[in-house]
Amino acid sequence: DGGITQSPKYLFRKEGQNVTLSCEQNLNHDAMYWYRQDPGQGLRLIYYSQIVNDFQKGDIAEGYSVSREKKESFPLTVTSAQKNPTAFYLCASSPSRGLNQPQHFGDGTRLSIL
Amino acid sequence: GQQVMQIPQYQHVQEGEDFTTYCNSSTTLSNIQWYKQRPGGHPVFLIQLVKSGEVKKQKRLTFQFGEAKKNSSLHITATQTTDVGTYFCAGRNNDMRFGAGTRLTVKP
Repeated sequence: DGGITQSPKYLFRKEGQNVTLSCEQNLNHDAMYWYRQDPGQGLRLIYYSQIVNDFQKGDIAEGYSVSREKKESFPLTVTSAQKNPTAFYLCASSPSRGLNQPQHFGDGTRLSIL
Repeated sequence: GQQVMQIPQYQHVQEGEDFTTYCNSSTTLSNIQWYKQRPGGHPVFLIQLVKSGEVKKQKRLTFQFGEAKKNSSLHITATQTTDVGTYFCAGRNNDMRFGAGTRLTVKP
């Protein structure tokens, strides 16, 4: 089945530590996205990528980094510079970043601080 | 910048009652999408509206896009327990912005 796989499902980070969240898709989609979801809030865009080897900052990129070396993979690193990283992180993809493209989401990674 | 406001934040209904969530944008939208997120799950695409004044139906769900393409609504007729979850709108101008969502709970 085609879809988006995020791992791990739960992740714990120590103070001062970088952690990387995995996102893999086999939908052959060009565009991929990372969102952060906090309780009672909508999805806020961290980074997006429209094509391999290219990515752009979203609304809340500070303290995060990404790479897009392969079409199917878009890992997100939460760096120690992100002072409030506890949240639910969702990865999504769409065929392109065109106007009428719905997004397909993974099951998410819940990150907590130890 | 572009903002998408969604109300109410929470809605608790008795099974069989109707439910409506509203989405308003500070700017004219090129389209609006609606997603549903079940408790513990991820958002799932429901529908997209593109035309001014457009109305689309999916069984008990009715989606509307305002004439000015700045607002939208989702109405559920005769709610069922399977409708529980958070409903998000996502409006696109140059970029797509998600509303904060409306969390629906249904009492059997």
